[in-house]
Amino acid sequence: AQSVTQLDSHVSVSEGTPVLLRCNYSSSYSPSLFWYVQHPNKGLQLLLKYTSAATLVKGINGFEAEFKKSETSFHLTKPSAHMSDAAEYFCVVSDRSSNYQLIWGAGTKLIIKP
Amino acid sequence: NAGVMQNPRHLVRRRGQEARLRCSPMKGHSHVYWYRQLPEEGLKFMVYLQKENIIDESGMPKERFSAEFPKEGPSILRIQQVVRGDSAAYFCASSPALGARATEAFFGQGTRLTVV
Repeated sequence: AQSVTQLDSHVSVSEGTPVLLRCNYSSSYSPSLFWYVQHPNKGLQLLLKYTSAATLVKGINGFEAEFKKSETSFHLTKPSAHMSDAAEYFCVVSDRSSNYQLIWGAGTKLIIKP
Repeated sequence: NAGVMQNPRHLVRRRGQEARLRCSPMKGHSHVYWYRQLPEEGLKFMVYLQKENIIDESGMPKERFSAEFPKEGPSILRIQQVVRGDSAAYFCASSPALGARATEAFFGQGTRLTVV
């Protein structure tokens, strides 16, 4: 069965420093992987997705993620954090074992210190 | 092209009342998904519908919850005889007709249900 583990419930970084949000997944098949962002009292927005093309995926707002099959990881990174990045981030996996439904991690709250 | 529209944004119900949550998908999208988000948790899949068809309701509680997506009008998630544990954010997503793959789903802003 699929599952997603986001290793940190909260991550706090200073503005201008790098961001790393960790995600590990389990999947028996070739998965699709996504990162979504949820700003306070807003809906969810797709940041980026991996669907078996290039393993380094670039998304919106300067975020990128690398699919590492050997480590079953899909960590989200950004070189320099901005105050507007403060939000909750969800890692999501999808494969044919669940009829391609989206399986969600519990989320990581990103806090940006001025 | 308006995004996925959910209403109401906030809904307060007393225990035992009914809650109706509405979702209008993006124009041209025929697939609708409902998710529930409990505090401090990720989203949990509830149900996947196409027009006039429930495709997958494996995430729906067996009692009190129902969903529909009629030929005309929005998709409705209905919760009868609400209890405090139903308090959550309910998100709707839609996607175009790409078979069964729930990729590139676009989300509404959610309905926050509070049961008092």
